[in-house]
Amino acid sequence: DVKVTQSSRYLVKRTGEKVFLECVQDMDHENMFWYRQDPGLGLRLIYFSYDVKMKEKGDIPEGYSVSREKKERFSLILESASTNQTSMYLCASGDRPRYNEQFFGPGTRLTVL
Amino acid sequence: RKEVEQDPGPFNVPEGATVAFNCTYSNSASQSFFWYRQDCRKEPKLLMSVYSSGNEDGRFTAQLNRASQYISLLIRDSKLSDSATYLCVVNTNAGKSTFGDGTTLTVKP
Repeated sequence: DVKVTQSSRYLVKRTGEKVFLECVQDMDHENMFWYRQDPGLGLRLIYFSYDVKMKEKGDIPEGYSVSREKKERFSLILESASTNQTSMYLCASGDRPRYNEQFFGPGTRLTVL
Repeated sequence: RKEVEQDPGPFNVPEGATVAFNCTYSNSASQSFFWYRQDCRKEPKLLMSVYSSGNEDGRFTAQLNRASQYISLLIRDSKLSDSATYLCVVNTNAGKSTFGDGTTLTVKP
């Protein structure tokens, strides 16, 4: 079974803090994704990556950056957290081709105070 | 207009009922199509892929109409355990996935 793990289930941070969300997958997938999910807005793509050290912007990249130094790990960084970044963050991975199905991690519920 | 639009919910049906969800997409370059299921406070999980020829998995049937840019999911003989939110997902060959907002199904005894 594919396993996608995220570093925290719940996280509380203060405005202005730098926040790291980590995601690790164990199936040697090339593709990795970060989404946020908000009531009434559904899942929205923040960033994705098809290979180590590469990244592409999704629909809502503002205020976020990512890092993919190793194939199995994809990190989402909030450089200076703001209250409007309070959300559920979901990481996913998938195999080639790019349009294949995705496997999600359990999510991190981030609250920014 | 949203790129992927789903039937607004919620759907409340009795056990044993047949229920159908619809989804339309606007990007004609879309390459692949899926239905995901998301239980409350859980992550989305793949329910089934959707093929042009239509596909069936037990009580679930998915259909794709590329000409009309329309996807459907039919659930027969609903069970209590089918209660969840069903997400329509459309991928382009550039790898971008667009999710519908989801349709919530509640199956009641």
